[in-house]
Amino acid sequence: TQLLEQSPQFLSIQEGENLTVYCNSSSVFSSLQWYRQEPGEGPVLLVTVVTGGEVKKLKRLTFQFGDARKDSSLHITAAQPGDTGLYLCAGARPGAGGTSYGKLTFGQGTILTVHP
Amino acid sequence: NAGVTQTPKFQVLKTGQSMTLQCAQDMNHEYMSWYRQDPGMGLRLIHYSVGAGITDQGEVPNGYNVSRSTTEDFPLRLLSAAPSQTSVYFCASNDRWWTGELFFGEGSRLTVL
Repeated sequence: TQLLEQSPQFLSIQEGENLTVYCNSSSVFSSLQWYRQEPGEGPVLLVTVVTGGEVKKLKRLTFQFGDARKDSSLHITAAQPGDTGLYLCAGARPGAGGTSYGKLTFGQGTILTVHP
Repeated sequence: NAGVTQTPKFQVLKTGQSMTLQCAQDMNHEYMSWYRQDPGMGLRLIHYSVGAGITDQGEVPNGYNVSRSTTEDFPLRLLSAAPSQTSVYFCASNDRWWTGELFFGEGSRLTVL
């Protein structure tokens, strides 16, 4: 069972369309990160959201952290072929203390293809 | 700017063979980790280290060993390779454990026959 469920897993759209990727969980996270990965490379951080209800914008990308800090969304406006890639959300949960360290848990990822 | 360097990029092993995936970072990050990436599974944590001499298990540690003798290096050892270990492996480092930005290497694609 995946702790963080991303949807959709695949998204194929035309240039100029809008899209939203969702990241949902039944657990509360201290913070949530979004990464983008291109073929043959490691993921690269896009944004970190830490406050319930927080909205962050990065050019055409809008990230939202749910009020209860259990879910997040990534919205892309007027998608471009350069947006093509694998998008991953990752939630941070603190450890219980002592030798129990916190963990970063990744969703399954959303493969986005934007056609010219 | 090297960042996180992984070697080798590609490796083919036969079942039962052992090997070490190397990882080095030059950012003086205290925290390092190893993930495996499989289709439809995202990234799963294998082992991590919160400092030189300190390592711990992640989600999927079986069949793998790690050590951290220096801040810079964090090798991942496959003791007796199995086909289920066919995957892409990523090493990452960060300066704040589980909240800071993860800096990833380019990955090592391993195939076990």
